[in-house]
Amino acid sequence: ETGVTQSPTHLIKTRGQQVTLRCSSQSGHNTVSWYQQALGQGPQFIFQYYREEENGRGNFPPRFSGLQFPNYSSELNVNALELDDSALYLCASSEAQGIGNEKLFFGSGTQLSVL
Amino acid sequence: SQQGEEDPQALSIQEGENATMNCSYKTSINNLQWYRQNSGRGLVHLILIRSNEREKHSGRLRVTLDTSKKSSSLLITASRAADTASYFCATYANSGYSTLTFGKGTMLLVSP
Repeated sequence: ETGVTQSPTHLIKTRGQQVTLRCSSQSGHNTVSWYQQALGQGPQFIFQYYREEENGRGNFPPRFSGLQFPNYSSELNVNALELDDSALYLCASSEAQGIGNEKLFFGSGTQLSVL
Repeated sequence: SQQGEEDPQALSIQEGENATMNCSYKTSINNLQWYRQNSGRGLVHLILIRSNEREKHSGRLRVTLDTSKKSSSLLITASRAADTASYFCATYANSGYSTLTFGKGTMLLVSP
């Protein structure tokens, strides 16, 4: 158990809808990263938040957005869902901000299916 | 984009045998990490090796790093059925701000 919790565990949405995924960081961690993992692939970096500000972004369109709250919990929002958004969404927390030595502590993920 | 590429994509062995997985990457790195994932769940950090290290051990795990070849290997000795999982290498690039970039993974099946 890493102490990182994600909700919900599974979600089914229809194309065009919007979704919000939630993540509670491990105690003491001020940085949260979100990853998308398609079936049979490695996790792809979506973005990272450090002290409530976006701190880096991968190659994802603006309809992927996020928030980090003062207690370091986080949300991932996806608007105008597309079929290709179906994937496992992983949240990971860490202690420091992109200095290159962090180990990531992952939640169990949210499995999103878009029909 | 994927920074690391694991090889093989899948590996099937018997309990008690050793399992070796390889990872190649493209850019200069700060460190390389290996993670394990059971059945599409969250990833668990296994071991971190820094760019100035050549070998590191943790229990039944042995990791090597060859920065001249931009490659790493993960050896699991005396494998157990519980080692069945996907294994990913991940790297931090050694230039400016960086995030952890994962490869596609090796799926390991250990049969009793």
